[in-house]
Amino acid sequence: SAVISQKPSRDICQRGTSLTIQCQVDSQVTMMFWYRQQPGQSLTLIATANQGSEATYESGFVIDKFPISRPNLTFSTLTVSNMSPEDSSIYLCSVEELAGNTIYFGEGSWLTVV
Amino acid sequence: AQKVTQAQTEISVVEKEDVTLDCVYETRDTTYYLFWYKQPPSGELVFLIRRNSFDEQNEISGRYSWNFQKSTSSFNFTITASQVVDSAVYFCALRISGGSYIPTFGRGTSLIVHP
Repeated sequence: SAVISQKPSRDICQRGTSLTIQCQVDSQVTMMFWYRQQPGQSLTLIATANQGSEATYESGFVIDKFPISRPNLTFSTLTVSNMSPEDSSIYLCSVEELAGNTIYFGEGSWLTVV
Repeated sequence: AQKVTQAQTEISVVEKEDVTLDCVYETRDTTYYLFWYKQPPSGELVFLIRRNSFDEQNEISGRYSWNFQKSTSSFNFTITASQVVDSAVYFCALRISGGSYIPTFGRGTSLIVHP
């Protein structure tokens, strides 16, 4: 299975700042996704990261707040912009392997906004 | 549209008890995949199993077993002889074949295993 590394694993951020989360996969994958998981909640999909083009955002999420890059098949970044305490969550990178049909997750990035 | 229901919000058991986590799904597609993930307190989501809609064979992996029944649209997960390390939130997910490839997750079941 794909090995997915996310950085940072945890961070405490000041209100109004921005933070970029990196996701690196050890093999080429077809799909890369970014999820948010607020405390005690299930996973909410933010967007699908598309290689070489703009990400596809889900309802309620916009590029200005969550800019995403995917320059190649193994790497993506998610930026959480102008953070507020409501952005305190676990952010998870997820991939589907080229072999298809199974979705794996990174270790998650715990963000606390103060 | 797809839907996954995990009606059990939290289950509490004593070590060595058997426990079953329920998952009921809805989809109009005939080809789809079902998943279970484990999320320990560390936060990562650990993939446990994938089952496709054409394979109704039950699966056993050590103390874990899964019962897939298309007739009732259920994909239940049983842990035999539970251990404290099994304490986690467990998510069931559904993804159809083709289309947007985006999985639908249940709300999760928190399992607490007491020593």
